[in-house]
Amino acid sequence: GAVVSQHPSRVICKSGTSVKIECRSLDFQATTMFWYRQFPKKSLMLMATSNEGSKATYEQGVEKDKFLINHASLTLSTLTVTSAHPEDSSFYICSARSGQTNTEAFFGQGTRLTVV
Amino acid sequence: KNQVEQSPQSLIILEGKNCTLQCNYTVSPFSNLRWYKQDTGRGPVSLTIMTFSENTKSNGRYTATLDADTKQSSLHITASQLSDSASYICVVSDRGSTLGRLYFGRGTQLTVWP
Repeated sequence: GAVVSQHPSRVICKSGTSVKIECRSLDFQATTMFWYRQFPKKSLMLMATSNEGSKATYEQGVEKDKFLINHASLTLSTLTVTSAHPEDSSFYICSARSGQTNTEAFFGQGTRLTVV
Repeated sequence: KNQVEQSPQSLIILEGKNCTLQCNYTVSPFSNLRWYKQDTGRGPVSLTIMTFSENTKSNGRYTATLDADTKQSSLHITASQLSDSASYICVVSDRGSTLGRLYFGRGTQLTVWP
């Protein structure tokens, strides 16, 4: 299957700082990328959907000013957690999909964010 | 309300044994159903994807079934291995929007003991 690379895999940051997570589709053009958050032993929760070149669509309850998403190219989307707090500590996963609706979505390896 | 329910929540089996995981969904309209394997601290990896017209699909020791009438799916793992220990997630996609939204189950945590 196609490869989606997420970086970094782990990051520890101080409270109040910002952290950027990158999601790259390595061998296909991702017209749509999704960002998820996963708590321990819980399912993935969709945070936002982004289409290349347009503003992201955020799920209800997700603060768009706190979780900045940029999808500037067909192979790269970034999630920036601004002014991070300990409650933002979580596992963040991106997935990417190409072209038509309901095509296979491939997931990145995930990023473990710890805010201290 | 579109939901995906998985059972059991967790399962422990001995190496070499078979097991079956269940998924019930209420997602409508239905487009496809996928099973993913997620190792701890990693992103999900696709095992199978089935559309409305497909009843069964295999991927090595993994065999998924789908009954679109009863809205049930199962994932059967044969001759389990230690490396099968992971969370198995059932994901259903609708066709109600151009983006085909994904609905995730909470997963079944499988542990294979030697």
